[in-house]
Amino acid sequence: DIQMTQSPSSLSASVGDRVTISCRASQTVTNFLNWYQQKPGKAPHLLVYGGSIVKSGVPSRFGGSGSGTDFTLTIRGVEPDDFATYYCQQSYRTPYTFGQGTKLDIK
Amino acid sequence: VQLQESGPGLLKPSETLSLTCTISGGSIRNTYWTWIRQPPGKGLEWIGYIYFNERPKYHPSLQSRITISVDTSNSLVSLQLRSVTAADTAVYYCAKFEAPYAMDVWGRGTTVTVSP
Repeated sequence: DIQMTQSPSSLSASVGDRVTISCRASQTVTNFLNWYQQKPGKAPHLLVYGGSIVKSGVPSRFGGSGSGTDFTLTIRGVEPDDFATYYCQQSYRTPYTFGQGTKLDIK
Repeated sequence: VQLQESGPGLLKPSETLSLTCTISGGSIRNTYWTWIRQPPGKGLEWIGYIYFNERPKYHPSLQSRITISVDTSNSLVSLQLRSVTAADTAVYYCAKFEAPYAMDVWGRGTTVTVSP
């Protein structure tokens, strides 16, 4: 299985900050890397797919970059609604696997 | 498209879990459908996927116990998990898989608890 490792596991930020979350794959996933946001008691929802393609309707402050094994999710100007847990996920090879999650909370 | 999971909620060890995902607002055909689960307080685990006219693909660790199927007449995607244990306690989600990329539409999830 491809192991996905996120860093950091948790992160504190203030409204307006720029936040970056990293995701590393144990082997190449080319650009088959996705990012999801999950709030407590809710289903995840897709933010970014294909490494850098922001899903339609997702605010433009969210961005993804990277290819191969190293990827980054960036939030430019964190807003109150962004405090949540973020997961990366590879869809390059089954079994599809997720990172352990990064919890973003308010500083 | 909207997805709605349903299931028993509570099972005893060794029983068989049967969940259904009702698809509305879109066609069940020509689309991949996946199941994902999340144990309490933990991360997400991909269980498997199915395309309406192909053999499903399962997580190797669950392959001996699961069956995913599609009922095109009733727009249902089903998950059966046999011989459950406490380790199968989780929220189970169905999701539309926009191949080859990502799960772009999710159901709200259904909580399954395995307890004697």
